[in-house]
Amino acid sequence: QVQLQQWGAGLLKPSETLSLTCAVSGGSFSVYYWNWIRQSPGKGLEWIGEFSLSGSSNYNPSLKSRVTISVDTSKNQFSLKVTSVTAADTAVYYCARRAVAEGRFDYWGQGSLVTVSS
Amino acid sequence: QAVLIQPSSLSASPGASASLTCTLRSGFNVSTYRIYWYQQRPGSPPQYLLRYNSDSDKQQGSGVPSRFSGSKDASANAGILLISGLQSEDEADYHCMIWHSSAWVFGGGTKLTVL
Repeated sequence: QVQLQQWGAGLLKPSETLSLTCAVSGGSFSVYYWNWIRQSPGKGLEWIGEFSLSGSSNYNPSLKSRVTISVDTSKNQFSLKVTSVTAADTAVYYCARRAVAEGRFDYWGQGSLVTVSS
Repeated sequence: QAVLIQPSSLSASPGASASLTCTLRSGFNVSTYRIYWYQQRPGSPPQYLLRYNSDSDKQQGSGVPSRFSGSKDASANAGILLISGLQSEDEADYHCMIWHSSAWVFGGGTKLTVL
């Protein structure tokens, strides 16, 4: 069974860097797109970005300048960094798997609440 | 203005049908997009329901009951999620999504109350 387990710091101050990691188990790491999606309290979903081991990546234009998604294939993990956070970055962050050529996010992490507050 | 516009809330009775709309902003033609739908229960990540582009290009999520179906209303420039035979467990948030300009775009979500 595919599982995505995520973790990272939950409380940040403005201007700090958000860092989250997602570990993938139970399935192939190489034939999918690996995504980060967030949800501000009481709001809708916001897609952050994705990558595949083929070298393809896509980012939300509104976040691209502050976002880095990286991968550690030796550990089947991928990570998200968002620089210069503000209160507007307070959200539950999810990692998720997407099938190639499909908009089906079929496996999700449990979600990580990140709060930005001074 | 958001690309995908969803009503913030909708109420319907058990056993009835609910039609959830996802309206595309002017300049975005619904006929050119696959519309994806997700269900999200409180405290849980979203779950994929289905994809709808046309009757010949649609996909039901694994294990998703057939009472969940998709369609489009070209005159309203909207994607539609129809849930028939509403059950209490259908009470959740529903999100629509499209792929546009190399980015996934979500609507604001609709909270469906079954009462």
